[in-house]
Amino acid sequence: KQEVTQIPAALSVPEGENLVLNCSFTDSAIYNLQWFRQDPGKGLTSLLLIQSSQREQTSGRLNASLDKSSGRSTLYIAASQPGDSATYLCAVRPASGGGADGLTFGKGTHLIIQP
Amino acid sequence: ETGVTQSPTHLIKTRGQQVTLRCSSQSGHNTVSWYQQALGQGPQFIFQYYREEENGRGNFPPRFSGLQFPNYSSELNVNALELDDSALYLCASSLGLAGNYEQYFGPGTRLTVT
Repeated sequence: KQEVTQIPAALSVPEGENLVLNCSFTDSAIYNLQWFRQDPGKGLTSLLLIQSSQREQTSGRLNASLDKSSGRSTLYIAASQPGDSATYLCAVRPASGGGADGLTFGKGTHLIIQP
Repeated sequence: ETGVTQSPTHLIKTRGQQVTLRCSSQSGHNTVSWYQQALGQGPQFIFQYYREEENGRGNFPPRFSGLQFPNYSSELNVNALELDDSALYLCASSLGLAGNYEQYFGPGTRLTVT
């Protein structure tokens, strides 16, 4: 059974710092990995999608990497801003079910950027 | 292009009652998935619908059921509500069944069971 772990569970940093969020998964048989942002009480906003054949994706100040063989992904946020404060969720799409399995999520990293 | 929408936004029900949540998929998307997110947890996969048929189910009991309509909108029904069913219910749509398609999420329905 696929399991996703996110470290750290919570992080508080001053504005302007670069930071890294970590995600690990136990089964390397995946279609893709997605990083999401969730504001309190709200739905999920997709940040980056990395297909299993890719190594990284970039969008603005965000860069996500994927090492499928070791079961790891990182989300790098450059020059953090108070507006980046949110919970960041990592999710993988297992390939074992042939597309019938939904996403498996970690519990998230709660990020606070101090002004 | 309209994104994924869900209704209602909030709902309060009593234990033992039944509830129906609704989801409209993004334009052109024929696959809908439902997730349950308890407070402080990541979302958990309930089931997935493709062309009006259930195609994939997570570890949820049969009292969680669904429907998908010809226009690809979907309903999630929960019977015999329990206190632990209190959660944010998220709907996601995608272009197709293939596992490499990106899933797009709606804003969610907050269900409180008292």
